[in-house]
Amino acid sequence: DAGVIQSPRHEVTEMGQEVTLRCKPISGHNSLFWYRQTMMRGLELLIYFNNNVPIDDSGMPEDRFSAKMPNASFSTLKIQPSEPRDSAVYFCASSPTTGDQPQHFGDGTRLSIL
Amino acid sequence: QKEVEQNSGPLSVPEGAIASLNCTYSDRVSQSFFWYRQYSGKSPELIMSIYSNGDKEDGRFTAQLNKASQYVSLLIRDSQPSDSATYLCAVIYSGNTPLVFGKGTRLSVIA
Repeated sequence: DAGVIQSPRHEVTEMGQEVTLRCKPISGHNSLFWYRQTMMRGLELLIYFNNNVPIDDSGMPEDRFSAKMPNASFSTLKIQPSEPRDSAVYFCASSPTTGDQPQHFGDGTRLSIL
Repeated sequence: QKEVEQNSGPLSVPEGAIASLNCTYSDRVSQSFFWYRQYSGKSPELIMSIYSNGDKEDGRFTAQLNKASQYVSLLIRDSQPSDSATYLCAVIYSGNTPLVFGKGTRLSVIA
C-alpha cells in the first residue's frame, strides 16, 4: 500500500517567495495533519482536517500560513511570504480517524528559506 | 495544556543491553499511547501502541503503561546499533483529538 506522499522532498527558496507543500494521504484515511519539526521546538501540530474540513488551526504560526484540503486525496500547506525562520521539516500525516488511531507520516519536506 | 514529557537524552547504552525510555503525560483521562522511532533525516515511524495498563511485547520491544502514575515506557532488549534513533512518545488525550508528541529521547547504542 502506498503511504503518505509529500512533495517536494526539498525546497530552497528566497525570502519573500511563496512556498506550496503538497500531501496525498493514505487512501481511506479521514484525518490529515500538518506538522513542523525543528531542533528547538520539536514536532509541532500546525493544523488538522477531518473529512476535508479544517478542525483546529491554532498551531498555524501566522496569517502567512494557510492550508487547504479540496478533496479526500490532496492537501496543500502554503506560506506566503516566506521568511528564514520558516525553515524546518514539514510533515504531513494521516490516520483512519482522529481518536484512538496512530498517525502515519510522509517523508517530509525539508524547507530552507534563504 | 496537554503535555508529554520526555528526557531529551542522549541515552547511551552498550550493545546487547536493555534501553529504557520513559514518558510522562499530564492528563489522567488519556486513552491511547504510542511510541514512534525517528532516524536522523527521516520521518517518525510507529513502532508500538498501548491502550491498557500493563505490558505489551512485540519482538525486542516492550511498552509499559501505568495510568495511575501517568507514565508510559519503552524497553528495548538486546539493543543494537541500528536502534540508535530518537524515540517519540505520543498520547491521545481524548477521543477525536490528535496526538500530542513529546520532544523525544535520543538513544545511542554503542557497539
